[in-house]
Amino acid sequence: DARVTQTPRHKVTEMGQEVTMRCQPILGHNTVFWYRQTMMQGLELLAYFRNRAPLDDSGMPKDRFSAEMPDATLATLKIQPSEPRDSAVYFCASGFERTQEYNEQFFGPGTRLTVL
Amino acid sequence: AQSVAQPEDQVNVAEGNPLTVKCTYSVSGNPYLFWYVQYPNRGLQFLLKYITGDNLVKGSYGFEAEFNKSQTSFHLKKPSALVSDSALYFCAVRDINAGNNRKLIWGLGTSLAVNP
Repeated sequence: DARVTQTPRHKVTEMGQEVTMRCQPILGHNTVFWYRQTMMQGLELLAYFRNRAPLDDSGMPKDRFSAEMPDATLATLKIQPSEPRDSAVYFCASGFERTQEYNEQFFGPGTRLTVL
Repeated sequence: AQSVAQPEDQVNVAEGNPLTVKCTYSVSGNPYLFWYVQYPNRGLQFLLKYITGDNLVKGSYGFEAEFNKSQTSFHLKKPSALVSDSALYFCAVRDINAGNNRKLIWGLGTSLAVNP
């Protein structure tokens, strides 16, 4: 049963610390999305990769957030330095894109981040 | 501007009764529409999508949705609700300004509570 995995599932840290979240997309998928979910803002797209290349990070605060795909099996989202307002659930999703097709995204279980 | 609206924050329905979760959209061109469900402490799961073709789309877990172009709506329905359907439901539409990217615009979600 293929699924997206995310680590850690929970993270509590102090303001100013670096936070790294990891995602393993489903094998064979060529797109990866990072989302942030909060009660106030709902689901926000932070970054979007296709074939490991970043296509859209317009929703990501550039001064403290960074997203990378060092290889096809790993996507990372880093926050440095973290702030209390970054507290949220961060989801990774993967999918398979082909021209003229618009397929669903498969979501991981999320990382619940609390910044004190 | 493109947008998706889920006018009800919460929907309550008795088990066995039909349920409807509403979604309206505002996009230029042909909309690509999606419904996802989020169970507590889980990532989102794809339910169904409308790209083209029959206005009535059938999806997972007995759900269906009807695309209504004149009313710019894509309401999610199920003939007989189950307690296990209690979850958060998200409507989304393709961001037509994203070009070839698979970026979605998400609604804020509707919490469905099915009472035994």
